[in-house]
Amino acid sequence: SQQGEEDPQALSIQEGENATMNCSYKTSINNLQWYRQNSGRGLVHLILIRSNEREKHSGRLRVTLDTSKKSSSLLITASRAADTASYFCATLPYSGGYQKVTFGTGTKLQVIP
Amino acid sequence: DGGITQSPKYLFRKEGQNVTLSCEQNLNHDAMYWYRQDPGQGLRLIYYSQIVNDFQKGDIAEGYSVSREKKESFPLTVTSAQKNPTAFYLCASSAAGTGGGRNIQYFGAGTRLSVL
Repeated sequence: SQQGEEDPQALSIQEGENATMNCSYKTSINNLQWYRQNSGRGLVHLILIRSNEREKHSGRLRVTLDTSKKSSSLLITASRAADTASYFCATLPYSGGYQKVTFGTGTKLQVIP
Repeated sequence: DGGITQSPKYLFRKEGQNVTLSCEQNLNHDAMYWYRQDPGQGLRLIYYSQIVNDFQKGDIAEGYSVSREKKESFPLTVTSAQKNPTAFYLCASSAAGTGGGRNIQYFGAGTRLSVL
């Protein structure tokens, strides 16, 4: 079953604009991660935010986490054509023992030059 | 050059045939995973392994089998029992445990399987 649901499913913006995508999840988490997938390729890890963190930055990426609302957002600032890809959130449940990371359904981002 | 290697990149399966997808990693990771991705969809977990000679079913294990005889290798067999095998298959690995970002997954480039 899918733990994370991304919103919107697809997003098209002009180069230079900011892109925001959201992820909602259902159960308490240990951490939340964002991954990127270029068409026909594997996923690449972008950023991890722990449940006790509210915001994290990495270059042009900004991730926020609101555990009370069980949601996260990924902001890509000053987007470039090369940012065109699908973006997935992945959650690690907060409980004892081994838990599986669960991936969401993804947001397909198109950045128009 | 560290990473995960999946082969082949493209694979075609005939009716009633079993096919095996290869996944090799040189990251010294204990955990390995197989996912299936259908067009425009997210990833669904097929099997995962936390340690050599041990593996568990994921959410959609029916029609698939795996082995983990070596730390660096985790091959996936798509059996004839899998009636709708056409999909993009992704292998991943991670360090064991959940602390310090150890569950970050590193992915191969994928194998696209089609039915003839």
